[in-house]
Amino acid sequence: EVQLVESGGGLVQPGRSLRLSCTASGFTFGDYAMSWVRQAPGKGLEWVGFIRSKAYGGTTEYAASVKGRFTISRDDSKSIAYLQMNSLKTEDTAVYYCTRDLQPWIQLWFGYWGQGTLVTVSS
Amino acid sequence: QSALTQPASVSGSPGQSITISCTGTSSDVGSYNLVSWYQQHPGKAPKLMIYEVSKRPSGVSNRFSGSKSGNTASLTISGLQAEDEADYYCCSYAGSSTRNWVFGGGTKLTVL
Repeated sequence: EVQLVESGGGLVQPGRSLRLSCTASGFTFGDYAMSWVRQAPGKGLEWVGFIRSKAYGGTTEYAASVKGRFTISRDDSKSIAYLQMNSLKTEDTAVYYCTRDLQPWIQLWFGYWGQGTLVTVSS
Repeated sequence: QSALTQPASVSGSPGQSITISCTGTSSDVGSYNLVSWYQQHPGKAPKLMIYEVSKRPSGVSNRFSGSKSGNTASLTISGLQAEDEADYYCCSYAGSSTRNWVFGGGTKLTVL
């Protein structure tokens, strides 16, 4: 069974940093691209970014709203994806979800989701 | 403001059918057959219901169907059931490095 478990959320002041983790199980982690999607309180979904599998270079793409501030990385030996968030703004307050596609190698759909972790940016 | 436009709410009675529209542009919905739909119950993570415009993942009821015409995609739910009451989001690939995927603002489905 595919499982994605996010951790690392919490309350952080504007301008500070936070790192989220997504621990995966139930599949060969290294074969899959991994994405992050967020949802501000009472609002809709927003794609944050994704990281390709090593077979496709392990490269990353980010939404314009977080590019230059957020970094996604992966540790295939531990089956963990990370979201490093720097220079946080109040508008980054959201539940952050880790997601995986239905199929390996590509990133087209958000087929599996974790339970999400809440990040609150406030002074 | 979301990139894709959905109605804020729709409603229907048990057994009826409803359709939720999702309007984008020629840069996203109109250019790619890479539209997906997600169901989200309160306090829960979203769930993929439709991908590649009209395909259903394993385990999703065939009461859910999707289609696309031009820049507008649609999700139809037939034989409405109480458990279908949820928020529904459409999503489309948009092709640029900083705008890979765009979502709609979500539609609240109420089963009367």
